[in-house]
Amino acid sequence: EDQVTQSPEALRLQEGESSSLNCSYTVSGLRGLFWYRQDPGKGPEFLFTLYSAGEEKEKERLKATLTKKESFLHITAPKPEDSATYLCAVRSNQAGTALIFGKGTTLSVSS
Amino acid sequence: GAVVSQHPSRVICKSGTSVKIECRSLDFQATTMFWYRQFPKQSLMLMATSNEGSKATYEQGVEKDKFLINHASLTLSTLTVTSAHPEDSSFYICSARKTGSETQYFGPGTRLLVL
Repeated sequence: EDQVTQSPEALRLQEGESSSLNCSYTVSGLRGLFWYRQDPGKGPEFLFTLYSAGEEKEKERLKATLTKKESFLHITAPKPEDSATYLCAVRSNQAGTALIFGKGTTLSVSS
Repeated sequence: GAVVSQHPSRVICKSGTSVKIECRSLDFQATTMFWYRQFPKQSLMLMATSNEGSKATYEQGVEKDKFLINHASLTLSTLTVTSAHPEDSSFYICSARKTGSETQYFGPGTRLLVL
């Protein structure tokens, strides 16, 4: 069965304190792994799509990496405005067009 | 690019009435659109997948006669909550997948409150 697990559930950081969020997945044929950011009361905002192991993508203070079993979202020198819930999702050959979401990591960055 | 809009952003209705929510891809064509529901502090729950010009595919446990989905064009899908009840109160979010792409882009969501 396809499965996505995110850890930790919640993460508190001081401004400037770099860290990583983890997304472990078990799928029957990965068609894509996606990272989204969701602010309270809003829809998810697309961050990255990764397709194959070894792939990396960066955007400002965020960098996403992918292996055959997990993905990391690295946050370098975070700022309070990076506080949000970060969602990881995968699309597998078995799931068809649907995305399988993890439960998310809620990040709080204090100044 | 890849902007998805939803209308309305917030709606309050009386029990027993029907509510229609629109989802539009503003700057791309979307063969496939998705409707999700999200409860407080929980992740997104897929309700149904709609393909332009064909009937929607509903997830297990989602009543197709209650949640009517129409995907009449490559840029518009609508979700109608029929005979709404207080338990239908939730945050409804749509997404659209660019034709030829794997990535889904989400709308800003619609907060429905049924009194």
